Amino acid sequence: GQQVMQIPQYQHVQEGEDFTTYCNSSTTLSNIQWYKQRPGGHPVFLIQLVKSGEVKKQKRLTFQFGEAKKNSSLHITATQTTDVGTYFCAGARRETSYDKVIFGPGTSLSVIP
Amino acid sequence: NAGVTQTPKFQVLKTGQSMTLQCAQDMNHNSMYWYRQDPGMGLRLIYYSASEGTTDKGEVPNGYNVSRLNKREFSLRLESAAPSQTSVYFCASSSSRNQPQHFGDGTRLSIL
Repeated sequence: GQQVMQIPQYQHVQEGEDFTTYCNSSTTLSNIQWYKQRPGGHPVFLIQLVKSGEVKKQKRLTFQFGEAKKNSSLHITATQTTDVGTYFCAGARRETSYDKVIFGPGTSLSVIP
Repeated sequence: NAGVTQTPKFQVLKTGQSMTLQCAQDMNHNSMYWYRQDPGMGLRLIYYSASEGTTDKGEVPNGYNVSRLNKREFSLRLESAAPSQTSVYFCASSSSRNQPQHFGDGTRLSIL
């Protein structure tokens, strides 16, 4: 079954408000990737986190990887209408001899102007 | 700088017809993937290929076949299309299995 979960499923915010989506795995991950998909578009890679406790920033976006490497978060400060879309996390989990990437179900963000 | 190219972009089929979705990447990636995405849902892996000549089933392989023709190309075939296969199909590639994936623009497929 699905082993990478995301919450919330949907989020509606007023433009200028902050937004956070959380990603949780039942097993330890070797890395976590975040993607953004605009309505009608395709997923676009945003960032990859590898180290325990890692924090990376891209302008108004802040990504964190948990200490146990089982959870991650994406925080957007002062949302803009250009932030609209679905944000997916994807965790790389160790199988017997290789890493397998599993996508979460995504968080859909709507921004009200 | 094409990246991942999928053809066709749109297709309408009748139940029982067959077709092949084409995918090519120019990034010299080893790993290639086929996903389907249904409205309001995430990405479900259909098939994966680690290298030329190798393919592995994903989460939802039933009703599909794939061919990794060479390092660049990975095709998805529907032998006898069913309405349940109406979806958006994405091809993706990555340098290796746990590395970031680059997606094509998708094929929007409707089966009547």
